[in-house]
Amino acid sequence: AQRVTQPEKLLSVFKGAPVELKCNYSYSGSPELFWYVQYSRQRLQLLLRHISRESIKGFTADLNKGETSFHLKKPFAQEEDSAMYYCALRDSSYKLIFGSGTRLLVRP
Amino acid sequence: DAMVIQNPRYQVTQFGKPVTLSCSQTLNHNVMYWYQQKSSQAPKLLFHYYDKDFNNEADTPDNFQSRRPNTSFCFLDIRSPGLGDAAMYLCATSRDGNYGYTFGSGTRLTVV
Repeated sequence: AQRVTQPEKLLSVFKGAPVELKCNYSYSGSPELFWYVQYSRQRLQLLLRHISRESIKGFTADLNKGETSFHLKKPFAQEEDSAMYYCALRDSSYKLIFGSGTRLLVRP
Repeated sequence: DAMVIQNPRYQVTQFGKPVTLSCSQTLNHNVMYWYQQKSSQAPKLLFHYYDKDFNNEADTPDNFQSRRPNTSFCFLDIRSPGLGDAAMYLCATSRDGNYGYTFGSGTRLTVV
């Protein structure tokens, strides 16, 4: 079955510390993976896609097919990074399947 | 310049009283989705329209229906809301399911 797992409900770090938000997936085909972010009182928005191999707001994510993971990383967290982060998988029928999300709290 | 607009932002309805949530988009995307998100849970896909074709998820209750009168608008109808239907309802759009989805701000439904 297709599944996206985010094992941490909450991740709390201090400003300037490295961040890694974990995401593991279960999918029989070749997945397309995304990270979405939701800042307080704002809509869900796309942060990055694995096929773009881009860095957005200092965040990167690498697809590791061997470990079926797509962890989100940032070397130095900022307070404005505090938000809810969702990992998502797009299946072959173009449906987006979300993980349960991780709340990132960056303390000053 | 919101591109996916959901109305209302907050909706309170009575137990068993039909309610309709609306979504409109200015992106001319051909695919529109409705997700249900309960507190501390992942958004769960209810159904989507690919052009005019309606696609229901297998576990979406019959109580939930949808209409898409044209490309720009999509409605979520809950025929007899129960207390368990209280949630945030998210509308999203995409072009052919590709790239990232664009989400609306959501409608928070309360059932009293």
